Amino acid sequence: DAGVIQSPRHEVTEMGQEVTLRCKPISGHDYLFWYRQTMMRGLELLIYFNNNVPIDDSGMPEDRFSAKMPNASFSTLKIQPSEPRDSAVYFCASSRGPNNEQFFGPGTRLTVL
Amino acid sequence: AQSVTQLDSQVPVFEEAPVELRCNYSSSVSVYLFWYVQYPNQGLQLLLKYLSGSTLVESINGFEAEFNKSQTSFHLRKPSVHISDTAEYFCAVSAGGSYIPTFGRGTSLIVHP
Repeated sequence: DAGVIQSPRHEVTEMGQEVTLRCKPISGHDYLFWYRQTMMRGLELLIYFNNNVPIDDSGMPEDRFSAKMPNASFSTLKIQPSEPRDSAVYFCASSRGPNNEQFFGPGTRLTVL
Repeated sequence: AQSVTQLDSQVPVFEEAPVELRCNYSSSVSVYLFWYVQYPNQGLQLLLKYLSGSTLVESINGFEAEFNKSQTSFHLRKPSVHISDTAEYFCAVSAGGSYIPTFGRGTSLIVHP
């Protein structure tokens, strides 16, 4: 298996623009997680899905952020409109169960100017 | 509720010296415990985990961690570190069942030649 795939790896955009981050989890994994990592706040869980259904989105910072999982092999995290404080590395991870090992993607480094 | 504390944000050490990265947790029930490692510009990857059984768990690259229930700790140790061990290390705890892991803030291990 190729592991968790994220795209793009780097994204530079201007404030106010819409940003869409994409994730393909490992086949057979029922859980999918979106994290954000910054120097100031560390690793933050934004939202996670079980069998394509959002279970807990309490970590989503505000309404500008939204996430979807239309099928078992694809998820998106969208920021609209983007702001400079959204600059961070965004990770997607997947696992077979809630307490199983999480497999992380390589991350998307987002810079909002 | 579950929480995890990594007391040291940064641990500098010389090559071939021993190291201990501290992790303390709080949970009202039995726990699953994890250590993840993040190398520069990469996602996190599982280093080792405790689910049940022996309280001492080992990784393939010489790290070990001991589950201490009375002290609610899961410290990570290595008797002799290498330059290549320079990375960010994250402790995570789960109360089991349907609870997903909570990650600590991370400890940056810096190995000097």
